Amino acid sequence: AQSVTQPDIHITVSEGASLELRCNYSYGATPYLFWYVQSPGQGLQLLLKYFSGDTLVQGIKGFEAEFKRSQSSFNLRKPSVHWSDAAEYFCAALTGSNTGKLIFGQGTTLQVKP
Amino acid sequence: DAGITQSPRHKVTETGTPVTLRCHQTENHRYMYWYRQDPGHGLRLIHYSYGVKDTDKGEVSDGYSVSRSKTEDFLLTLESATSSQTSVYFCAISESGGGTQYFGPGTRLTVL
Repeated sequence: AQSVTQPDIHITVSEGASLELRCNYSYGATPYLFWYVQSPGQGLQLLLKYFSGDTLVQGIKGFEAEFKRSQSSFNLRKPSVHWSDAAEYFCAALTGSNTGKLIFGQGTTLQVKP
Repeated sequence: DAGITQSPRHKVTETGTPVTLRCHQTENHRYMYWYRQDPGHGLRLIHYSYGVKDTDKGEVSDGYSVSRSKTEDFLLTLESATSSQTSVYFCAISESGGGTQYFGPGTRLTVL
């Protein structure tokens, strides 16, 4: 079955430190991949997406993600975390281009220490 | 931000009562979706629509029905609410089935 896994439920980093959030997918073909961020009490905001082409994708707020087919991964990175990055992050895969059915990971909550 | 509104934003209801949540968009997007968000599960697709009067089931559709009589509105109905349907419900829209989905602000539903 198609699935998206985020192995880390909760991550704490110090402000200014680098960040990497992990995402693994299970899908026969190369899916369309997304990272969303959700601040407390808010909806989901798109950070970046990968459809095809360059495997390193740049997004908003200084985030980037790298698609690695050999590892079935799409990890999210940021070189220097700001306190405002504290939020919940979701990785998602689009498994049907005709239906738009997104499968989400369980989410990773990021806490930023001053 | 995509023009998506959800109403109500908060609702408390009792077990066995019917509940309808509304999603309204101003983007004229063809596809609309309803998800529920629960701790430890991320978001799970309930139903989606690929056009007026065209809908299909998602991963967790039992106990829910939807209707779409106009491009801009997508309604989610709980015919007889149960406590297991206490959740945060998100609507999303996209131009195409393979396109990016944009999310509404969510509706927090509590079933007592």
